[in-house]
Amino acid sequence: GQQVQQSPASLVLQEGENAELQCNFSTSLNSMQWFYQRPGGSLVSLFYNPSGTKHSGRLTSTTVIKERRSSLHISSSQTTDSGTYLCAPTNSAGNKLTFGIGTRVLVRP
Amino acid sequence: AQTIHQWPVAEIKAVGSPLSLGCTIKGKSSPNLYWYWQATGGTLQQLFYSITVGQVESVVQLNLSASRPKDDQFILSTEKLLLSHSGFYLCAWSPGQGAGAETLYFGSGTRLTVL
Repeated sequence: GQQVQQSPASLVLQEGENAELQCNFSTSLNSMQWFYQRPGGSLVSLFYNPSGTKHSGRLTSTTVIKERRSSLHISSSQTTDSGTYLCAPTNSAGNKLTFGIGTRVLVRP
Repeated sequence: AQTIHQWPVAEIKAVGSPLSLGCTIKGKSSPNLYWYWQATGGTLQQLFYSITVGQVESVVQLNLSASRPKDDQFILSTEKLLLSHSGFYLCAWSPGQGAGAETLYFGSGTRLTVL
């Protein structure tokens, strides 16, 4: 089955700093999604990005299918960015997402 | 706009007792529906998915069952809870068709503690 590795496991930033989160997956996929998990547990969809680069505010997602990797770039981090970032490739049938363990981000003021 | 509502927000239950968690999606007809589970400190695991009323596929069972009695409703249940059922349960939906068909939108989750 699909294996997903996220790095780093955790990250501490000073407010204003940039960060790059990595996601590597083991088998071909249909799409890639990135989620933000709030400290209380609820999830927010950040990107649906099967390939290429997408931007949303201070966030940028880049997926390179043939290299089996995706990244999430946070620019000018803010304390409200603190939480866990999860990547989840979708299988070829489009009915199963496999989540990584996540990158825990803490942004200090 | 589509909304997803999960209930209850939290439950504390005894081992061996029954459980029923629910999820309702409004504003979208025929969504794909999913149940996910996350143990404390663990990864999110997909438990079930459904593409239509009355049809549910199991991905990881964990001695739980799921049903879709109506187009907009997804129920997760068990007759007898185990300690290992503790964790965070999330319901999600996806459009199932068109661009971004697999994009997942999650409910706010149910935190279950089994004692």
